[in-house]
Amino acid sequence: GNSVTQMEGPVTLSEEAFLTINCTYTATGYPSLFWYVQYPGEGLQLLLKATKADDKGSNKGFEATYRKETTSFHLEKGSVQVSDSAVYFCALSPSGNTGKLIFGQGTTLQVKP
Amino acid sequence: NAGVTQTPKFQVLKTGQSMTLQCAQDMNHNSMYWYRQDPGMGLRLIYYSASEGTTDKGEVPNGYNVSRLNKREFSLRLESAAPSQTSVYFCASSEEVAGVYYNEQFFGPGTRLTVL
Repeated sequence: GNSVTQMEGPVTLSEEAFLTINCTYTATGYPSLFWYVQYPGEGLQLLLKATKADDKGSNKGFEATYRKETTSFHLEKGSVQVSDSAVYFCALSPSGNTGKLIFGQGTTLQVKP
Repeated sequence: NAGVTQTPKFQVLKTGQSMTLQCAQDMNHNSMYWYRQDPGMGLRLIYYSASEGTTDKGEVPNGYNVSRLNKREFSLRLESAAPSQTSVYFCASSEEVAGVYYNEQFFGPGTRLTVL
């Protein structure tokens, strides 16, 4: 079946450090891949997405590349800020265009000044 | 535009009580979803509605019912609440045009439910 696995958190970094949050997936066909972010007390917001292999999604300094050969979609940012502290969810939409999303368990990021 | 709104924000129930969580969106989206969020488990789909008048089960539908009242509103009902239903519930919507889903889902702020 379809599933998403994220690295365990919490991840604690100092401001301006480099961030990587690992995400791997299992899916048949060609899913679309997403990163969502949840700030404290809020709902999820789309951060970036990629719809086919080798696509790179980017937004607000975050990037992720759709790697079909390694079934991965790792999230990276070169220099994190305190305001990036949030929970990050990797998700996939199975091929077949159903609109449904399957989420990973979420990774909490805490950035300290 | 308010986007996706949910009521109530917080609720405490006793085991066996019933309640309905309300969700509305003002983006004219066809598709709507209910998720629950539990620690270490991400979001799991309870029910979804691809269009007005249709609903389908998601990954964890047991103990819940839904109603797609009209294009704007999608409610989730707990008929007899159990402690295992203590969770944060999120409603979401997405656009679908001529059978093509745009996949970005827009989320409400959530309802934090505790069942004692």
